[in-house]
Amino acid sequence: DAGVTQSPTHLIKTRGQQVTLRCSPKSGHDTVSWYQQALGQGPQFIFQYYEEEERQRGNFPDRFSGHQFPNYSSELNVNALLLGDSALYLCASSLAGTGVTGELFFGEGSRLTVL
Amino acid sequence: DAKTTQPNSMESNEEEPVHLPCNHSTISGTDYIHWYRQLPSQGPEYVIHGLTSNVNNRMASLAIAEDRKSSTLILHRATLRDAAVYYCILRRQGGSEKLVFGKGTKLTVNP
Repeated sequence: DAGVTQSPTHLIKTRGQQVTLRCSPKSGHDTVSWYQQALGQGPQFIFQYYEEEERQRGNFPDRFSGHQFPNYSSELNVNALLLGDSALYLCASSLAGTGVTGELFFGEGSRLTVL
Repeated sequence: DAKTTQPNSMESNEEEPVHLPCNHSTISGTDYIHWYRQLPSQGPEYVIHGLTSNVNNRMASLAIAEDRKSSTLILHRATLRDAAVYYCILRRQGGSEKLVFGKGTKLTVNP
């Protein structure tokens, strides 16, 4: 049973560019969340997707956007990259309806470096 | 979101028990206490959760104080593989499903 898979694992961009990160959830999961983890910090919630719609959003600017596809996979897009966007981007999947007792499964992340 | 407080770091020896504390003095009655850990170069993974009673699973035990203002994650016999950052997180019933991470406790396990 494949867990959460993310791609690419590492990438380097320059300021002002745009990036797309991809996530395939754990088999059977229908909800995907994205987190940003700066070096030495805990992950910070970006947004959550369910039924192809953004359901919750954290304190991130509109430069951060996402999409969920009918097969539940998801993309995170970041426009107009800033140096401060350098971080590990984590995707987590879960099953809707499990609420706050449900377990989130995380991928290994995509390490973005902005030069 | 209710706040949790954890020590920045702790050290343990292999095969000894480890007690990782978490303070959550502003916890509400519907807040579940969750623990996740993040091994080096990996995403976080679920460890355990509880509401009021102590909980055990194959990975760890969770001891919750009677007033619920603190809890302790117990690793019964630490292994080198348990070296990770451990996060204590409160999740409110009926509230947002997002996880609110602090800085966690970095556990070092000495051979």
